[in-house]
Amino acid sequence: EAGVTQFPSHSVIEKGQTVTLRCDPISGHDNLYWYRRVMGKEIKFLLHFVKESKQDESGMPNNRFLAERTGGTYSTLKVQPAELEDSGVYFCASKVAGGYEQYFGPGTRLTVT
Amino acid sequence: QKEVEQNSGPLSVPEGAIASLNCTYSDRGSQSFFWYRQYSGKSPELIMFIYSNGDKEDGRFTAQLNKASQYVSLLIRDSQPSDSATYLCVREAGTALIFGKGTTLSVSS
Repeated sequence: EAGVTQFPSHSVIEKGQTVTLRCDPISGHDNLYWYRRVMGKEIKFLLHFVKESKQDESGMPNNRFLAERTGGTYSTLKVQPAELEDSGVYFCASKVAGGYEQYFGPGTRLTVT
Repeated sequence: QKEVEQNSGPLSVPEGAIASLNCTYSDRGSQSFFWYRQYSGKSPELIMFIYSNGDKEDGRFTAQLNKASQYVSLLIRDSQPSDSATYLCVREAGTALIFGKGTTLSVSS
């Protein structure tokens, strides 16, 4: 069974540009999470989807970040416009309904110059 | 005050020794805790889940939870060079996971 996949693995963009990150969860996992780790800090929660609905978006830093999960399958996280402080590694995780383990993807390293 | 505190290390142990990783947390209402292992440049992977006071053993790994002291630990017996990684102490907070910064473990052969 394929694990959580994320695309791209690395993105370098200039300040003010737009970037879209994609996450494909494990098939059948209703729960999908986005996390971010900025340099020198801990991994921090951004938001949680149950199927296509946002269950908790309390960790989203500001309105430059937009997450979607159309159809309850893959999810995208768009940053528009990107700022320097958005640089970091963005992780996606998924979990089966009723389970306790979140399975993490390999992450997307975003560098904003 | 950080929610989950870990010593960043590095913690260096020789092969075959016991590695002891510690973590404290600030939210007394926390119920469930995880230890994730993360190799450099890779995704975090779950190695232990604990929610009851006391010890939980799985192979060479033992997790210990003391809710009165707000303390979680992970013991790795017979440490191997392949155990060299960053170990993340994590607590469950509603739908989210709250991570510590991680402790880097280095096992020398």
